[in-house]
Amino acid sequence: KNEVEQSPQNLTAQEGEFITINCSYSVGISALHWLQQHPGGGIVSLFMLSSGKKKHGRLIATINIQEKHSSLHITASHPRDSAVYICAVRSSPYGGSQGNLIFGKGTKLSVKP
Amino acid sequence: DTEVTQTPKHLVMGMTNKKSLKCEQHMGHRAMYWYKQKAKKPPELMFVYSYEKLSINESVPSRFSPECPNSSLLNLHLHALQPEDSALYLCASSQWDRGFANTNYGYTFGSGTRLTVV
Repeated sequence: KNEVEQSPQNLTAQEGEFITINCSYSVGISALHWLQQHPGGGIVSLFMLSSGKKKHGRLIATINIQEKHSSLHITASHPRDSAVYICAVRSSPYGGSQGNLIFGKGTKLSVKP
Repeated sequence: DTEVTQTPKHLVMGMTNKKSLKCEQHMGHRAMYWYKQKAKKPPELMFVYSYEKLSINESVPSRFSPECPNSSLLNLHLHALQPEDSALYLCASSQWDRGFANTNYGYTFGSGTRLTVV
């Protein structure tokens, strides 16, 4: 079992729909990242969370530390939101971790006009 | 400056060539990372440098040779690569406190170098 699991793997939506991508993890973490990658492109960091909720424009990210679960929401989705969204956790600093990221396999989102 | 700059953006090299990838940041981050990403897969960690010293080498073949000449610069020297090494090579940086990672600062990724080995 992967340490970071994302669902769904693929998601197709109509423009304007509300979108939710889920991430569950099984390790102790110091932070969780939501990342965006367009086809053939580099990675953009959307959010870093260690608790609660963050909002940036139409994007909202939440995390429940007790349940080891995070969600990324996109309101009023648009075709330009089409990308792969990756959940990645930064393992707990205790126990010799070097702070590198553990990645989920990503969710490929396609938003149709 | 809040960016990680990678050059070149694209590189095509033969199996006998020697080339280098470059990564630069001026955010004062003291941890720098090389990742390799194959198509439709998440990035795989290759190397971690903290305070210009190699702290993680994820069993990467010796045909990949990292170098961190100063706190702003990270290189990846390539020699005698194989076609299966073709991938997107991503550099990232983050803050680092001695002993354990600083949890208050995120990662910044570069846009990557698309490498094709022919």
